[in-house]
Amino acid sequence: KAGVTQTPRYLIKTRGQQVTLSCSPISGHRSVSWYQQTPGQGLQFLFEYFSETQRNKGNFPGRFSGRQFSNSRSEMNVSTLELGDSALYLCASSLGTGGSGETQYFGPGTRLLVL
Amino acid sequence: SQKIEQNSEALNIQEGKTATLTCNYTNYSPAYLQWYRQDPGRGPVFLLLIRENEKEKRKERLKVTFDTTLKQSLFHITASQPADSATYLCALVPFYTGRRALTFGSGTRLQVQP
Repeated sequence: KAGVTQTPRYLIKTRGQQVTLSCSPISGHRSVSWYQQTPGQGLQFLFEYFSETQRNKGNFPGRFSGRQFSNSRSEMNVSTLELGDSALYLCASSLGTGGSGETQYFGPGTRLLVL
Repeated sequence: SQKIEQNSEALNIQEGKTATLTCNYTNYSPAYLQWYRQDPGRGPVFLLLIRENEKEKRKERLKVTFDTTLKQSLFHITASQPADSATYLCALVPFYTGRRALTFGSGTRLQVQP
């Protein structure tokens, strides 16, 4: 089975712009979660989507949003980029029906640099 | 506030020795605790999961313990190899049904010297 894929792998944007990142989960997985990783804050949960609905949300401003399509692929969008949004954005997929302890499989991440 | 602490200093050990990494948490009632490995520039890779009613879990050279009284998990790699060098992250899942949001510690970098 192919793993979780994320595109693009690297991205450079300037302050004020917006960006869209894409994630394709493992085939058969219906839950997609997004995380932000920075040296200062570590890995932080952004949100989780299941069957095209946001099921959980972390403590991030409304500039961060996401969606999920009927094929379980997901996108996240960051509007009005700030320098502090520079980070590795990770997507994780899981079956979505196995309970809280279900294993999540991470993609390689998208490295975003905001100048 | 809720906090997960891992030793931020790198752990350097000699090949063949046992590496022991610590994960402490406060103000949490975790249902599950997971350990992940992360290599530079890559996403975390799941290693082991232990439930709050389990004391110990093993997988090949890996062993995890979970002490809910001490609010601590220990992660052991026996007969360590240079290929085990990576950052190891612990992650908790709170005791809420259906919530898949993992809360991660900051990770401990392990360096195994040949």
